[in-house]
Amino acid sequence: GAVVSQHPSWVICKSGTSVKIECRSLDFQATTMFWYRQFPKQSLMLMATSNEGSKATYEQGVEKDKFLINHASLTLSTLTVTSAHPEDSSFYICSAGGGSGSFEQYFGPGTRLTVT
Amino acid sequence: KQEVTQIPAALSVPEGENLVLNCSFTDSAIYNLQWFRQDPGKGLTSLLLIQSSQREQTSGRLNASLDKSSGRSTLYIAASQPGDSATYLCAPRSYNTDKLIFGTGTRLQVFP
Repeated sequence: GAVVSQHPSWVICKSGTSVKIECRSLDFQATTMFWYRQFPKQSLMLMATSNEGSKATYEQGVEKDKFLINHASLTLSTLTVTSAHPEDSSFYICSAGGGSGSFEQYFGPGTRLTVT
Repeated sequence: KQEVTQIPAALSVPEGENLVLNCSFTDSAIYNLQWFRQDPGKGLTSLLLIQSSQREQTSGRLNASLDKSSGRSTLYIAASQPGDSATYLCAPRSYNTDKLIFGTGTRLQVFP
């Protein structure tokens, strides 16, 4: 299957700083990528849909000014957590697919963010 | 809004048992449904993908069925092994929103 990578795999930052997480589709082009967040012992919650060349679409309750998403190319989307706080500590996972609809979504390995 | 529920929430069984994990969803207008496995602290491993036109898919000891009209999918695990211990997640992809929405998960523990 297709491969999606994330970098970094884990990061620790101080409260008030910003952190950037990269999501790359390694062997296919993805016009759409999705960002999820997972808190301990909970399921994945969709944060936003990242569209190449246009603005991201955020789910209800997700602050777009806090979670900046950029999808500059067909193989790269970035999520920047701005002015991070301890409550932003979570597992962030991205996914990508070769197209919409019936195509399988491929998931990255996730990034564990800890804000101290 | 798509809502996905998985039953049971947790399951602990001796190895060798055949298992049934249930997934129900409220919006039956879906493209497909994926089953995933997640080990503690790790990412997702895709197990099976069932298209909306299909009734079931099989991979090794795993078999997933889909009844789209009733909003249900079932994952069968045959002859369970301790290595099957993980959280299993189902996720239908809604036709209207093109989004993959995850269920609440079933935490499975298979003991020797």
